[in-house]
Amino acid sequence: GEDVEQSLFLSVREGDSSVINCTYTDSSSTYLYWYKQEPGAGLQLLTYIFSNMDMKQDQRLTVLLNKKDKHLSLRIADTQTGDSAIYFCAENYGGATNKLIFGTGTLLAVQP
Amino acid sequence: DSGVTQTPKHLITATGQRVTLRCSPRSGDLSVYWYQQSLDQGLQFLIQYYNGEERAKGNILERFSAQQFPDLHSELNLSSLELGDSALYFCASSEGLKNIQYFGAGTRLSVL
Repeated sequence: GEDVEQSLFLSVREGDSSVINCTYTDSSSTYLYWYKQEPGAGLQLLTYIFSNMDMKQDQRLTVLLNKKDKHLSLRIADTQTGDSAIYFCAENYGGATNKLIFGTGTLLAVQP
Repeated sequence: DSGVTQTPKHLITATGQRVTLRCSPRSGDLSVYWYQQSLDQGLQFLIQYYNGEERAKGNILERFSAQQFPDLHSELNLSSLELGDSALYFCASSEGLKNIQYFGAGTRLSVL
């Protein structure tokens, strides 16, 4: 089936690390993505990882992929109040289409 | 700025009406995707076009239709609107059939 799961809410203090987790279903996905959505705004592509990689680091962002468990995580180092947003995990569904299957989104609240 | 342009940003209309949402993809991108974001359904894939041709359909109602023009911009037509069609509609584009998708800022549709 098509199901991407995320926890709904995460609260951290400014300066701490945040870890947002996601489980996905399609083992044939080529890419897995993290998008950020601020209130009233669009979807900003934060980062993505190819399915043949285990880890990708991009400045404060670290993505870990465990294909065996179909588990994806996004770590944000030194979390800032500007990181407060909803974070969506997505996989591109395999087969003839490149459609994205999104998780429910995790609301990250950063306390000053 | 993702390079994907959506107009209008906001649309307010009445039940039974018809509206057209417009999307201009990033320069060079051949694929255009439409997604709907609503509180009860989350982010759902509607339809994909590649170089003017429909490639994949998702949870798109029969009252909705889309097309991609020779200049690669796309339009999503929503007709016989119902209250439940109120949502944020996103367009995304990618270079080819299986590449990374970049999203526009969305069109917020309110059906009163």
